[in-house]
Amino acid sequence: EAGVTQSPTHLIKTRGQQATLRCSPISGHTSVYWYQQALGLGLQFLLWYDEGEERNRGNFPPRFSGRQFPNYSSELNVNALELEDSALYLCASSLVGGYQETQYFGPGTRLLVL
Amino acid sequence: SQELEQSPQSLIVQEGKNLTINCTSSKTLYGLYWYKQKYGEGLIFLMMLQKGGEEKSHEKITAKLDEKKQQSSLHITASQPSHAGIYLCGADDNQGGKLIFGQGTELSVKP
Repeated sequence: EAGVTQSPTHLIKTRGQQATLRCSPISGHTSVYWYQQALGLGLQFLLWYDEGEERNRGNFPPRFSGRQFPNYSSELNVNALELEDSALYLCASSLVGGYQETQYFGPGTRLLVL
Repeated sequence: SQELEQSPQSLIVQEGKNLTINCTSSKTLYGLYWYKQKYGEGLIFLMMLQKGGEEKSHEKITAKLDEKKQQSSLHITASQPSHAGIYLCGADDNQGGKLIFGQGTELSVKP
């Protein structure tokens, strides 16, 4: 069974540009989560999508947004990129949404903002 | 808000030695997850604990959740170079869907 997949593996952008990151969950999983892992800041929750709806959002500015498609894949968009957005972005999926549901992570997209 | 603290922050052990990593929560844990991460890569799920006093094992790794559900430990028996990596504990936040994580423990195993 295929795990969570993410694309691209690496992304280089300049300040002010927009970045789009993609995630495909494990087959049968309906919930998708996004996390940011920046150097020195640890793993921080960004967004949770379930059944196409945004269910929860972490403490990130509105320029971090996303969506979930009918096939449960998801996209994370980061607008007006800033240098501090450079990080590993991890996507996870779970069978159903929310509490006490194991999240399985993808390999991540490394975003570098110059 | 809930915080998770891991200790130690880093650990270097000789191959074959046992080791323990601890994860302490500022609040009661209702779902505690252990993950392993190779540097710069995704997280690999190891185990999930829910009940006070619960213990789970997989191969040479054992995780426990204390009775008060505020501390968990991860024990590796007879460590191997393949055990090297960053171990992260994560916990359900009451907001739903959100996991909070400890800062990680970096394990190196010397052959």
